[in-house]
Amino acid sequence: KNQVEQSPQSLIILEGKNCTLQCNYTVSPFSNLRWYKQDTGRGPVSLTIMTFSENTKSNGRYTATLDADTKQSSLHITASQLSDSASYICVVSPMYSGGGADGLTFGKGTHLIIQP
Amino acid sequence: NAGVTQTPKFQVLKTGQSMTLQCAQDMNHNSMYWYRQDPGMGLRLIYYSASEGTTDKGEVPNGYNVSRLNKREFSLRLESAAPSQTSVYFCALRASLPGNTIYFGEGSWLTVV
Repeated sequence: KNQVEQSPQSLIILEGKNCTLQCNYTVSPFSNLRWYKQDTGRGPVSLTIMTFSENTKSNGRYTATLDADTKQSSLHITASQLSDSASYICVVSPMYSGGGADGLTFGKGTHLIIQP
Repeated sequence: NAGVTQTPKFQVLKTGQSMTLQCAQDMNHNSMYWYRQDPGMGLRLIYYSASEGTTDKGEVPNGYNVSRLNKREFSLRLESAAPSQTSVYFCALRASLPGNTIYFGEGSWLTVV
């Protein structure tokens, strides 16, 4: 069964500090990997999407990296702000889903708290 | 989340009652989804619709039915609500371009007592 494991489960850092969130997956072959930000009480919002051939993708202070050989991705947040407090979800799409349901596999997310 | 509208936002049901969660898009995309999100479980797919008139079961379809009568709307129905269906429900749609981005609605908080 395809799996996506995220670590840490939760993280608390001080405002202005950097942090890195991890995502390990077993989906293979895979098509793309996405990172989403979910604010409390809101729906997830896309941060980055990387295909299997991409190594890095940035979106402002968010930088995602991908190592398709080791099946690992990371999301690096630079100079954190209070508004970065949220859950961050890693989502992996298989190359061949079958069954018509796309086969998207979601991680359980990392809950990030930025303290002033 | 612009482009995906879910209603209602909050709902409390008694066990055995029925209700329908509505989802509408204004982005003209084919693929639409219903997910539920529970603490410690992540998002799980209930049903998926690749296009108008077609639906497929996801990971956790039991106790739910869906309807995709037109391209714009995808509804989720609970025929006889159970406490185990207490959850947050998200409608989503997948854009073809760019990059197959998935857009989520704001969520519907459902409590079954």
